[in-house]
Amino acid sequence: GDSVTQTEGPVTVSESESLIINCTYSATSIAYPNLFWYVRYPGEGLQLLLKVITAGQKGSSRGFEATYNKETTSFHLQKASVQESDSAVYYCALGGVDTNKVVFGTGTRLQVLP
Amino acid sequence: NSKVIQTPRYLVKGQGQKAKMRCIPEKGHPVVFWYQQNKNNEFKFLINFQNQEVLQQIDMTEKRFSAECPSNSPCSLEIQSSEAGDSALYLCASSPHFNQDTQYFGPGTRLLVL
Repeated sequence: GDSVTQTEGPVTVSESESLIINCTYSATSIAYPNLFWYVRYPGEGLQLLLKVITAGQKGSSRGFEATYNKETTSFHLQKASVQESDSAVYYCALGGVDTNKVVFGTGTRLQVLP
Repeated sequence: NSKVIQTPRYLVKGQGQKAKMRCIPEKGHPVVFWYQQNKNNEFKFLINFQNQEVLQQIDMTEKRFSAECPSNSPCSLEIQSSEAGDSALYLCASSPHFNQDTQYFGPGTRLLVL
């Protein structure tokens, strides 16, 4: 079936440090799924951070980047310099498969220390 | 930011009781999804609609849940007889298109079954 595996949290980094949260996927229903990173800030609902629909392309938002790598079936989330306000739970997801529902990873809690 | 509205935010029920939650999708979004996120942060797709019509649902939903998306009224998801294992965060999402598109999530209804 379709699945997403991501870094188990919690991940703790200090402000201004770099960050990478790993994500790999398995999409058996479709060759080129859409890939997403969603984020849930404390007290808020799940919201889209970035989306990439083409293999080889990079998406970016709020200083975060992720590249759709079909060869390694990965979509790692990176940021060069995190801020305390980036503390949240990050979910890697794939969409457009089977029933067109979104398949989520189990989330990575990020804590950024001041 | 998403404009999907979910009510109530919190719901506490006893085992065997009905539990009903509502969702108003973003204006102009004909596609609505319901997901269950358990305490392990795992997402489970429950059901989706296009306009008022059910497109797909899992067995559990078909047997124990009642869901609808009437025109000009909120969508609803109701557990007919709550079980302890139903305690979870129920997420509603809407989308402007069915196939391979971003979903916009509400804040969720957190259900606790005592």
